[in-house]
Amino acid sequence: QLQLQESGPGLVKPSETLSLTCTVSGGSISSSTHYWGWIRQPPGKGLEWIGSIYYTGLSYYKPSLKSRVTISVDTSKNQFSLDLSSVTAADTAVYYCARRGTMPYYYMDVWGKGTTVTVSS
Amino acid sequence: QSVLTQPPSVSGAPGQRVTISCTGSSSNIGAGYDVHWYQQLPGTAPKLLIYSNNNRPSGVPDRFSGSKSGPSASLAITGLQPEDEADYYCQSYDSSLSGVFGGGTKLTVL
Repeated sequence: QLQLQESGPGLVKPSETLSLTCTVSGGSISSSTHYWGWIRQPPGKGLEWIGSIYYTGLSYYKPSLKSRVTISVDTSKNQFSLDLSSVTAADTAVYYCARRGTMPYYYMDVWGKGTTVTVSS
Repeated sequence: QSVLTQPPSVSGAPGQRVTISCTGSSSNIGAGYDVHWYQQLPGTAPKLLIYSNNNRPSGVPDRFSGSKSGPSASLAITGLQPEDEADYYCQSYDSSLSGVFGGGTKLTVL
């Protein structure tokens, strides 16, 4: 069945760029009925939507993060990636990648296990 | 401050019924967008529990149900079991072109 796996550095220095990749297995990222997204969860806090991307490259971001976020897709590798620039300690969180449907099915039905990213010098 | 408002915690004894509310605004739930619910057990990724207001994915017990009215939605859990102890999140779509979550509700089974 479809599986998602996050990968990337677990420690990032303040002011640098956080970069994560999500590898999709058991299915194609070039699905016409799904987007691929990133969600994060700071320690002890709730879930926060970051953004999502379609296989064509069409992307949407949370407005308050838009200036720092870039989500990209590599269909040849069945992967999509997250870049978050100018990080601070507030960006410390577990980062999840997930699959969501196209409108109106705007929910995440498959999630990765998550990867912990700490922002610290 | 989350866009969708949930109670921080609810509790109930085994076998009882509990409900979790989720209140939005005219730019999300009140605009007619669907509400979805996730269950997050400690130390694990969220799991889709209810989609499109009142639909259960395969494998989710019928003890879980959802409803929506106006700018609000609710998750009901009947026949509460110890393994239901978890965090629950509502989620919808916002006219800002982004997904939005509730702050989460911690369910304690007494």
